[in-house]
Amino acid sequence: SQQGEEDPQALSIQEGENATMNCSYKTSINNLQWYRQNSGRGLVHLILIRSNEREKHSGRLRVTLDTSKKSSSLLITASRAADTASYFCATDEGQAGTALIFGKGTTLSVSS
Amino acid sequence: KAGVTQTPRYLIKTRGQQVTLSCSPISGHRSVSWYQQTPGQGLQFLFEYFSETQRNKGNFPGRFSGRQFSNSRSEMNVSTLELGDSALYLCASGWRDYGYTFGSGTRLTVV
Repeated sequence: SQQGEEDPQALSIQEGENATMNCSYKTSINNLQWYRQNSGRGLVHLILIRSNEREKHSGRLRVTLDTSKKSSSLLITASRAADTASYFCATDEGQAGTALIFGKGTTLSVSS
Repeated sequence: KAGVTQTPRYLIKTRGQQVTLSCSPISGHRSVSWYQQTPGQGLQFLFEYFSETQRNKGNFPGRFSGRQFSNSRSEMNVSTLELGDSALYLCASGWRDYGYTFGSGTRLTVV
């Protein structure tokens, strides 16, 4: 079952611009994570935000979490061509479960 | 510190055959999770093992099974392969509250 749903499905921007991706989920969570995937390879963990946090930064990444709206956003500032990838949000099941439930992802294309 | 290692990287199998995929987690990690990624269904959780015990299982048929050894290495097995089993199979190790490290995956093609 899908938990997180990303929006938009695809995003094309120029180098130097900011990229914003949104994620919505359905049930209560302990935390929400963002991952990047390059060309069908393995996923790279970017950032984790806990349910009691509202905003978190890591380098050029900024993540927000609104548990009342069950939504999160990932902002990549000053995008580079190397940021071209698919980005996925993932949530836990909020209970004893340890599975990550992934959304369909946002495909980001950054052109120079 | 070595990452998560998955072998083989690519596999081509015929319908009806069975396949075994291997995953070695980061040293010291006792949890291994498996995911299937397809264009249609996206990333779906298969199962998780912790200290040789299956701790959680996704909604997949019984043809999909796995195990974990005392050294934390894990294998997953798919029997009676179907065309729809063609996918990228990813394994991950880590902790729910800190994030997971994924391997590069095994690309399985069923013909």
